[in-house]
Amino acid sequence: AQSVTQPDIHITVSEGASLELRCNYSYGATPYLFWYVQSPGQGLQLLLKYFSGDTLVQGIKGFEAEFKRSQSSFNLRKPSVHWSDAAEYFCAVGAGGGADGLTFGKGTHLIIQP
Amino acid sequence: EPEVTQTPSHQVTQMGQEVILRCVPISNHLYFYWYRQILGQKVEFLVSFYNNEISEKSEIFDDQFSVERPDGSNFTLKIRSTKLEDSAMYFCASSMGPRGFFGSGTQLSVL
Repeated sequence: AQSVTQPDIHITVSEGASLELRCNYSYGATPYLFWYVQSPGQGLQLLLKYFSGDTLVQGIKGFEAEFKRSQSSFNLRKPSVHWSDAAEYFCAVGAGGGADGLTFGKGTHLIIQP
Repeated sequence: EPEVTQTPSHQVTQMGQEVILRCVPISNHLYFYWYRQILGQKVEFLVSFYNNEISEKSEIFDDQFSVERPDGSNFTLKIRSTKLEDSAMYFCASSMGPRGFFGSGTQLSVL
């Protein structure tokens, strides 16, 4: 069965500092990997996705993620965070594109310090 | 950017009552989904819908749940007899290709 682990429930980062959110997955075949962000009162917004090809993927809002098959990881990074990045971040794995049968991690709550 | 619209944003119901959650997917999308998030827990897949039928469903999606696309624009989730444990945020999503779009959710509270 597929699963996603986000080991950090909360992360606090100073504004302007770099960010890395961890995600480890378990999946039997080549995974489709996603990062979503949820701001308070908002839906889930897709930041980026990995299906195949270049293992470093660029997303919206200056985020990027790197797929490392050997470590079963898909960590999200941003070189310099902004106060507006404060939100809940979810990693997800699926068998295909779209939003079909996604398995989500528990999420990481990102707090930005001034 | 196109949006998936969900109504209402909050719904309160009594245990045992039927509830219908409504979603308007993006107009040219063909695949539709419902997810839920119980407070403090993971977002969980419920069901996917394509070509007017369920294409996949999870163990959570039992006989109390049903989905429908009644008029070509709306996509609904019906819970026939709500239980306390159905209290959650319910997300609708739609897709046409590799990217899924999620709505902002309906917070269902069962009293």
